[in-house]
Amino acid sequence: SQKIEQNSEALNIQEGKTATLTCNYTNYSPAYLQWYRQDPGRGPVFLLLIRENEKEKRKERLKVTFDTTLKQSLFHITASQPADSATYLCALDKGSARQLTFGSGTQLTVLP
Amino acid sequence: DTAVSQTPKYLVTQMGNDKSIKCEQNLGHDTMYWYKQDSKKFLKIMFSYNNKELIINETVPNRFSPKSPDKAHLNLHINSLELGDSAVYFCASSQDAGGGWLEQYFGPGTRLTVT
Repeated sequence: SQKIEQNSEALNIQEGKTATLTCNYTNYSPAYLQWYRQDPGRGPVFLLLIRENEKEKRKERLKVTFDTTLKQSLFHITASQPADSATYLCALDKGSARQLTFGSGTQLTVLP
Repeated sequence: DTAVSQTPKYLVTQMGNDKSIKCEQNLGHDTMYWYKQDSKKFLKIMFSYNNKELIINETVPNRFSPKSPDKAHLNLHINSLELGDSAVYFCASSQDAGGGWLEQYFGPGTRLTVT
C-alpha cells in the first residue's frame, strides 16, 4: 500500500543550527513533492515544490532535496530561528490523479 | 485580503444535526478541495472540484455532500452528524497548470465539535 512517513514526530534543535526533516514514501511515483508549514490553529502554508527531475531547490534559508531512487525528500532550514517552530508537512501527488497526499508532519521546535 | 476564507471558524453541535461549512476563494483558482484533519493532525483529502465539477471523492460517508455553486465557492454540508465527525475541516484551492498542479492555498479551518 502507499505510504508517506515523516521521520520524527517531534524535533528540537538549538537556534542557529540547521534543521533537517525527512519524508520517505513507498509505492508512489510522484511527479512532484511539496512542503508545507502549519502553525497551531491555522491552515497549512505552501513553502516549496520540487519536481521529480530536480535534485534540489532553494528558497532563502530553506532547501529541499528529492531522491526518487531512495524515495526520499529532505527539508533543511539553515540558521534556524524560534519563529521557524511549527509543524512541517510533506505532500506528494498521485501522478495522474489530481490530489495531494500529506504525511503526518514533523513538529519542529527551535529553542532560543 | 483573505485568499481562502471559511465560515464558521468554530462549530459546536449535537449528534444528529445537519450543518454546513462555507468556503470562498478570491484567487481565481479553478480547483477547490475539502480536507479533514483529525486529532492526530493527519490531513486527509475528502473532495475536489475543478470548475464546479467533482473530480475527487475519497471514501467519505454520503452524509457529507459538497456543493459548488460557482468556481469561487465550495460548501460542505454534513447530515446526521456523528461524534467521529469532530475534526478540523480545511478548504483549499489551487490552479491547474495544464498537467501539473501548483501549490494549494488553505483556509483557516473550521473546528467542528459534535457532542
